[in-house]
Amino acid sequence: AQSVTQLGSHVSVSEGALVLLRCNYSSSVPPYLFWYVQYPNQGLQLLLKYTSAATLVKGINGFEAEFKKSETSFHLTKPSAHMSDAAEYFCAVSENTGGFKTIFGAGTRLFVKA
Amino acid sequence: EPEVTQTPSHQVTQMGQEVILRCVPISNHLYFYWYRQILGQKVEFLVSFYNNEISEKSEIFDDQFSVERPDGSNFTLKIRSTKLEDSAMYFCASKTSGSYEQYFGPGTRLTVT
Repeated sequence: AQSVTQLGSHVSVSEGALVLLRCNYSSSVPPYLFWYVQYPNQGLQLLLKYTSAATLVKGINGFEAEFKKSETSFHLTKPSAHMSDAAEYFCAVSENTGGFKTIFGAGTRLFVKA
Repeated sequence: EPEVTQTPSHQVTQMGQEVILRCVPISNHLYFYWYRQILGQKVEFLVSFYNNEISEKSEIFDDQFSVERPDGSNFTLKIRSTKLEDSAMYFCASKTSGSYEQYFGPGTRLTVT
């Protein structure tokens, strides 16, 4: 079964600093990977997705992620953090068999300091 | 842009009562899902539904849970006898047959007292 591991349940950065949220996946076949953002008391918003077209994926709000097969990683980055980026971020992988369910990581809460 | 909708946004019920959570998936989607998120925890898969039957379910999805597509537009999750630990946000999702991307609804917050 596929799984997703997010390193760091909490990450704190200063406004304007680089954001790096780590995600590693386990998959025996090419994965379909996603990053979602969740603001307090709200639903899941898709930030970006990897579906094997390009290893560097650009998403909304200035975020991007790089798929590295050799490291089984899909880390999320943003060059300059903004206060509005404070939220919970979930890395997820979609299975490509059976019901094609999505498996989520435990999430990383991003804090942005002024 | 089409979106998945869910009603109600918040439901409060007493322990032991039955609840039905409703979802309207995107109209041309064929795969339907329910997920739940207990407060402060990750999103967990409950069940997937395709071609009018369950295609996969998790260990969480026990006999107290059921899903139904009663007509051509709605997709429901029923909990027969709610427990305190069923309190969570429940997300519905749908997708087409040609994509791995699921579109999530805004969620229904279920509070069991």
